[in-house]
Amino acid sequence: AQKITQTQPGMFVQEKEAVTLDCTYDTSDPSYGLFWYKQPSSGEMIFLIYQGSYDQQNATEGRYSLNFQKARKSANLVISASQLGDSAMYFCAMREEETSYDKVIFGPGTSLSVIP
Amino acid sequence: DAGITQSPRHKVTETGTPVTLRCHQTENHRYMYWYRQDPGHGLRLIHYSYGVKDTDKGEVSDGYSVSRSKTEDFLLTLESATSSQTSVYFCAISGGFYNEQFFGPGTRLTVL
Repeated sequence: AQKITQTQPGMFVQEKEAVTLDCTYDTSDPSYGLFWYKQPSSGEMIFLIYQGSYDQQNATEGRYSLNFQKARKSANLVISASQLGDSAMYFCAMREEETSYDKVIFGPGTSLSVIP
Repeated sequence: DAGITQSPRHKVTETGTPVTLRCHQTENHRYMYWYRQDPGHGLRLIHYSYGVKDTDKGEVSDGYSVSRSKTEDFLLTLESATSSQTSVYFCAISGGFYNEQFFGPGTRLTVL
């Protein structure tokens, strides 16, 4: 069965520092996609970054990068140069590509607080 | 803006009453989803739809039913609401370059 683990319920980071949010996953499907979403206190879910299981390079999107270690089944999100607006819940998610309905499984989330 | 709206945005109801939440999309996407969000659980899939009148269960479907009579509308019904169904409910569609999910603004439901 699919499973997403985020072991850090809460994280603090100093403004302008980098922070890594951990995500490990479990799947027997050889083809899958990994996502990170941000949920600020206003409640909306915002897509941040995607990594495909066959992608050779780590995904990057602005200040976000994904540290993808396939053998370890980890997909950590790295936020560089943290800003106050980065304070939010962050969810790791996975989709098994061989399903027919794009089913996505979410982790429990990590709450990030950026300190001025 | 993925063009997804949810109604109502907030609702307080009593145990045992029926409740229907509506999700409306303007993007003509095939796949639509209902999730619930609870602290410590992230988002859990309740039901999903892969076309008009084509729906199936997710991981937490007990106590919920859905209907999709038009591409743009996906309804979630709690036939007899219970306090354990107090939650924030999100509707989503699949789309975008990576077929990522786009979410509606959410509905906060409180069952007293």
